[in-house]
Amino acid sequence: DAGITQSPRYKITETGRQVTLMCHQTWSHSYMFWYRQDLGHGLRLIYYSAAADITDKGEVPDGYVVSRSKTENFPLTLESATRSQTSVYFCASSESNLIAVYGYTFGSGTRLTVV
Amino acid sequence: AQKITQTQPGMFVQEKEAVTLDCTYDTSDQSYGLFWYKQPSSGEMIFLIYQGSYDEQNATEGRYSLNFQKARKSANLVISASQLGDSAMYFCAMSPTNDYKLSFGAGTTVTVRA
Repeated sequence: DAGITQSPRYKITETGRQVTLMCHQTWSHSYMFWYRQDLGHGLRLIYYSAAADITDKGEVPDGYVVSRSKTENFPLTLESATRSQTSVYFCASSESNLIAVYGYTFGSGTRLTVV
Repeated sequence: AQKITQTQPGMFVQEKEAVTLDCTYDTSDQSYGLFWYKQPSSGEMIFLIYQGSYDEQNATEGRYSLNFQKARKSANLVISASQLGDSAMYFCAMSPTNDYKLSFGAGTTVTVRA
């Protein structure tokens, strides 16, 4: 199906474990983003990418790693999960010439619980 | 860095009435876009409306309109003729057009009463 897909939808992991959240988009959008949503904070940008092999930090990057070897994939890795990383994670994509019409398109989110 | 402020954590509105959600922003960028998103209880993020900083007219999209006051750095969302399905969290967001990093406010919860 066309669109932006996140997996898994739900994940429970233990403190100290490495976990990777996947994001795949089928539109070949240049820009991709990772956000975390916590109560009272709205959505905060973790990392973003302007194109394959180009990534940059957002507002809250500590403890996270990203890569983008292919335009369509943008995985987010928690190197050593902590309880403070319990959150809902959203992936998004956009293309500069489509933003005014379609905005940024979001995936369905991954609810991550670190125990 | 951009800062988005939504001062209303929660609002109640009667069905069929209009509601205005406040949003102010702070940026040093001259060219930027303003967005509103809806997040129902199911959790997905739904794009509602967009306003470019150089657009002279306020954006409208069906029952949604954006009251853009550039000098006051204000981008309020107006929902007309509220429906029960409008009950959701609403986020104001902004991105500069030089890097497209989208920044969000904390959100406003709207509850529509029958």
